[in-house]
Amino acid sequence: DIQMTQSPSSLSASVGDRVTITCRASQSISSYLNWYQQKPGKAPKLLIYAASSLQSGVPSRFSGSGSGTDFTLTISSLQPEDFATYYCQQSYSTLWTFGQGTKLEIK
Amino acid sequence: QVQLVQSGAEVKKPGASVKVSCKASGYTFTSYGISWVRQAPGQGLEWMGWISAYNGNTNYAQKLQGRVTMTTDTSTSTAYMELRSLRSDDTAVYYCAREIVYSSGCSAFDIWGQGTMVTVSS
Repeated sequence: DIQMTQSPSSLSASVGDRVTITCRASQSISSYLNWYQQKPGKAPKLLIYAASSLQSGVPSRFSGSGSGTDFTLTISSLQPEDFATYYCQQSYSTLWTFGQGTKLEIK
Repeated sequence: QVQLVQSGAEVKKPGASVKVSCKASGYTFTSYGISWVRQAPGQGLEWMGWISAYNGNTNYAQKLQGRVTMTTDTSTSTAYMELRSLRSDDTAVYYCAREIVYSSGCSAFDIWGQGTMVTVSS
């Protein structure tokens, strides 16, 4: 299976900050990388697909980049509603795998 | 609107089986696949498997092979996930999710059910 490793595992930031979360794949996955946001008690929500494409309805402060094995999710100016846990997921293999998650907390 | 609605919470004893349903509405059920993802309390997301609603083809995570079966009923636009020989570490919220395939070939889970809590306890 393709292993996905996110860093950091947790992050404290303030409203208005620029934040970057990294995801690394154990092998090249081209651009077959998605990002999800999950709030407590809720189902995950798709933010970014194919590494850099913004899902419909997602604010433009979210962006994704990368290809091959290294990917980033950037939030340009944190809003109060962005404090949540973020997961990357590869869809290169039909054995989909998720990263372990990055919990974004208020400083 | 496009949605997936799952069945209610379950409490099972170790060794029992559970079957969770996921009813789709607002789109053509057979045009998309459905994956199942679970999340143990306080833990991350674990992909369990996928089923094509078009032809019933399945693909399961290796660690669950032999214990999980995914099926669909196209007459009711419902997907099912059955997990057998339940253990305490199967206690989790179970989600169904619609798989969308983009023109680039990348796929993602764009619509999720609300989740079903399955508790395994003696």
